[in-house]
Amino acid sequence: DQQVKQNSPSLSVQEGRISILNCDYTNSMFDYFLWYKKYPAEGPTFLISISSIKDKNEDGRFTVFLNKSAKHLSLHIVPSQPGDSAVYFCAASRDSGTYKYIFGTGTRLKVLA
Amino acid sequence: DTGVSQDPRHKITKRGQNVTFRCDPISEHNRLYWYRQTLGQGPEFLTYFQNEAQLEKSRLLSDRFSAERPKGSFSTLEIQRTEQGDSAMYLCASSLVHNEQFFGPGTRLTVL
Repeated sequence: DQQVKQNSPSLSVQEGRISILNCDYTNSMFDYFLWYKKYPAEGPTFLISISSIKDKNEDGRFTVFLNKSAKHLSLHIVPSQPGDSAVYFCAASRDSGTYKYIFGTGTRLKVLA
Repeated sequence: DTGVSQDPRHKITKRGQNVTFRCDPISEHNRLYWYRQTLGQGPEFLTYFQNEAQLEKSRLLSDRFSAERPKGSFSTLEIQRTEQGDSAMYLCASSLVHNEQFFGPGTRLTVL
């Protein structure tokens, strides 16, 4: 049972434009959500997180939106840069993030120069 | 470098052999996690420790797998009698209780 789903395995975006990565979850107990970026041959790197008490969190070029009623979150990257090309994983946790993380299958983002 | 480190980075072994991986977390982190990642999948939780106590083990962790964190610092993950299905990237992460997890570079295991 895939509790966290990333339905788009890949996404290509022109440099300077907005990248939107989507994630859906099924477990209503999840209350903490994160995005990680992964380059080949490296471990995942934390990008940004959001608690379920918020619907938006922003950090520089990265913004995460949470729609609890739809059990959906998205990561917006504006403007996209070639260095953003990587695999992006959505993760969810409960108990304010103190529980284990459940990851999606990832979306490969390619930013075209 | 004060991040999470893992050793070795790559391991090739023959089916039936035992392997052991090591993880050194960020020094002040009291939580340590092991995940496994296969091609096309996200990391899957295996087990985690708070200090030296192993608090949860996934059903993915068969009786051939054992993890330890003897002094609440580094951790080892041992796989006995390896099978080809064990081939994967084994990731270690550490955190403070209420903070995000920081991942190491992983150990890529290939079982021939």
